[in-house]
Amino acid sequence: GAGVSQSPRYKVAKRGQDVALRCDPISGHVSLFWYQQALGQGPEFLTYFQNEAQLDKSGLPSDRFFAERPEGSVSTLKIQRTQQEDSAVYLCASSLRSVSGANVLTFGAGSRLTVL
Amino acid sequence: DQQVKQNSPSLSVQEGRISILNCDYTNSMFDYFLWYKKYPAEGPTFLISISSIKDKNEDGRFTVFLNKSAKHLSLHIVPSQPGDSAVYFCAAGGSAQKLVFGQGTRLTINP
Repeated sequence: GAGVSQSPRYKVAKRGQDVALRCDPISGHVSLFWYQQALGQGPEFLTYFQNEAQLDKSGLPSDRFFAERPEGSVSTLKIQRTQQEDSAVYLCASSLRSVSGANVLTFGAGSRLTVL
Repeated sequence: DQQVKQNSPSLSVQEGRISILNCDYTNSMFDYFLWYKKYPAEGPTFLISISSIKDKNEDGRFTVFLNKSAKHLSLHIVPSQPGDSAVYFCAAGGSAQKLVFGQGTRLTINP
């Protein structure tokens, strides 16, 4: 597609449930990022893939968070045993970094997770 | 440790006047800086960037200024239009692929 597509757009989960959030990046973009945005805050980095390789997962807040990109295109962010503090918008972004210059990320619309 | 800071949560400007959004950073290793704009229920969209070797970059109504010695950058929008009302995020990047974002400034353009 023309842009980064995320699903579901909205997810309500009961505390303790597992959730899975999907991201379809822009075709041909080798880099894929997941960010978490809490209400009134800026996006916070979670993890980064280059093709299928997860090169940086330093931002994942706990071992309940897991991300994968098995074929180097679609990615899934999984949150196990959700807690109320996991409520946030989860943003996916992809990029095709130029040889020089800024790494411009193109973001999807996000998946808003509410944990009750 | 907040490496990128936007100290003004909100800004209100009259239509047609100049909007100036500010951003400070602490990490001198950042190679480039970007501004993103975000409307409600949408993802952030890229506006303009600047390399650390430059002090100004202009694109239409948008100009970004970088003061490396002060570790400060600003986004100027002139003239401001109602459609510019949104949340603006400044972001910084370097050798690592990820971008580090500020907390955002909500800009409101009043008619």
